[in-house]
Amino acid sequence: GDSVTQMEGPVTLSEEAFLTINCTYTATGYPSLFWYVQYPGEGLQLLLKATKADDKGSNKGFEATYRKETTSFHLEKGSVQVSDSAVYFCALVPSQGGSEKLVFGKGTKLTVNP
Amino acid sequence: ETGVTQTPRHLVMGMTNKKSLKCEQHLGHNAMYWYKQSAKKPLELMFVYSLEERVENNSVPSRFSPECPNSSHLFLHLHTLQPEDSALYLCASSQGFSYNEQFFGPGTRLTVL
Repeated sequence: GDSVTQMEGPVTLSEEAFLTINCTYTATGYPSLFWYVQYPGEGLQLLLKATKADDKGSNKGFEATYRKETTSFHLEKGSVQVSDSAVYFCALVPSQGGSEKLVFGKGTKLTVNP
Repeated sequence: ETGVTQTPRHLVMGMTNKKSLKCEQHLGHNAMYWYKQSAKKPLELMFVYSLEERVENNSVPSRFSPECPNSSHLFLHLHTLQPEDSALYLCASSQGFSYNEQFFGPGTRLTVL
């Protein structure tokens, strides 16, 4: 079945460091890919998405590129801030014609220290 | 109130209790969802309602009983739960029956003793 694998956390960085959170997926066809973020005490929020191969999603300085050849959607940010501390979830929706469930990874907790 | 709200935010109950979780969305959406978030596990979709009709039930035990009286409100009725049901229960809503743009509430942290 469809699945998402993301790097185990927690990840701890200093402010202004470069961030990469790896995400790979297993799915047939061309799923849509997402990153959601969950700040402490809050629900999940959509951070960015990409719906076809080679698309780049971006928001709030975060970027992720849909790589069909490596089935990956790694999240990157050039300079993290303390306010970026949160749990990040990679997710997919299978391609049209299949179930349209959101399939989530386990989440990666990021802590950014001043 | 704006967005998606959930009450209570925290709930502790015994295995023989009956309680209900409430979700309300103020976004004019017509689809609502219940998810279970357990430590070190992916989010699990439990139920989906579209236009107040249940369209998905992911093999959830009958001790969880959802109710959607209108497009703005969603309940999860709980009875005779087990300790392994302790988790964060998240509600979400979307416009149209689309999983692409879901808006989540803050969740109810449930502890079953």
